[in-house]
This record gives sequence, structure tokens and C-alpha cells, in this order.
Amino acid sequence: AQSVTQLDSQVPVFEEAPVELRCNYSSSVSVYLFWYVQYPNQGLQLLLKYLSGSTLVKGINGFEAEFNKSQTSFHLRKPSVHISDTAEYFCAVTTDSWGKLQFGAGTQVVVTP
Amino acid sequence: NAGVTQTPKFQVLKTGQSMTLQCAQDMNHEYMSWYRQDPGMGLRLIHYSVGAGITDQGEVPNGYNVSRSTTEDFPLRLLSAAPSQTSVYFCASSYTGGADTQYFGPGTRLTVL
Repeated sequence: AQSVTQLDSQVPVFEEAPVELRCNYSSSVSVYLFWYVQYPNQGLQLLLKYLSGSTLVKGINGFEAEFNKSQTSFHLRKPSVHISDTAEYFCAVTTDSWGKLQFGAGTQVVVTP
Repeated sequence: NAGVTQTPKFQVLKTGQSMTLQCAQDMNHEYMSWYRQDPGMGLRLIHYSVGAGITDQGEVPNGYNVSRSTTEDFPLRLLSAAPSQTSVYFCASSYTGGADTQYFGPGTRLTVL
């Protein structure tokens, strides 16, 4: 079975500053990794995903993530955040294409002017 | 396309009552799933379906029932509501399973008194 740990429950950040959200996973087999975002009072939407190939994955809204197999990590970064990036971010993992998705507990990002 | 729709948006139940949360998608997706979201716990899979007539349990299936008679609809039934089922419920769909992009509905906020 796989599991996901998001190391920060809340990350306060100033507008135009960079942000990094940390995600570690555990699995004995190859994984597919995802970051989803949930804006207030909405459902989740996909930011980016790693299935195979290049370990640096670019997503929507200027976000990117790097898959590090040796460190079993998939950290999410954005070089300059906007107020509109205030949301909850979820890391998720599955081990096969029809597999069940396992979510982390989420990281709340609060961007202030 | 309407995407994934859920009804109702809000519901208050008394302990012991039963109800059905509705979920529908118009994207011809085979895979549909139900999650519950609780603070600090991320999203946990309740039940999922890989096609009409095929369902299976997720991580937290107790107290919930599902069926899938059509590709479009995937209702979630609470058999006898308990306060522990107070949560926000999300339905999601995708072409294949967890490794495919999941499209989430807007959620149903359920309170059990």
C-alpha cells in the first residue's frame, strides 16, 4: 500500500514571494504522483501530474513540481505567488492506472499582501 | 458540458435518517468515485466504480452504499446517518482510474445531528 505525507499543514506567504509545498510518499512499487488545488468552497482541480519521463513537471498557473525517486518526494513550487493562489493544496499518489488515489492531508496556503 | 454535478449542496440530517447523495457526469467517464473530506485528513475514498454495474470499496466504506446502473450516475446512500458522517462529500470521475485526471464535483456539505 502507498501513503502520502504533506509536511506542512499551513504555509503563510507574502504576495510575489516564492513558495514550496513539501510532499513525501512511501511505496514499494512505481508511483504516479499528483498535485490538486482546492479553492475556497469548490471541488478539487488538477494542477499537475507525474506519470513518467522528465522529473520536472510543469502545471497550470505557473506551478511546477520535481519528482525525486531517491528521496521519495514530489515537492510543489511557484516562484512568485498571487493573492489568488490562496487555497488548499493536496498531494496524491497511486500505483497503477486503474488504481485508487491516496491523498495527503493537505497544505493550506495563505497569501497576504 | 456540465462536468460533474452533485446534489444537494447542503443537507442536515438527524441521527438514524437515510438519504442519497446524487452524482452525475456527462463526459462518458468509466471511473467514478466518492470521497469524504474532513479537516486535517485530506480526502478519503469511500467507494468507487470502474464502469456500469461494477463497484468496489475504498478506504472508509462502512455506513455507505453505492450502485452504478448507468455510466452517468453514481449515487451514494447513507443507510442510517451518524454524527461521524458529518463531512463534505465529493464525487469525482475520470476516463480510467486514479492515474487519470480526476474531475471533481462541487461537493455536498452534510451535517448529522
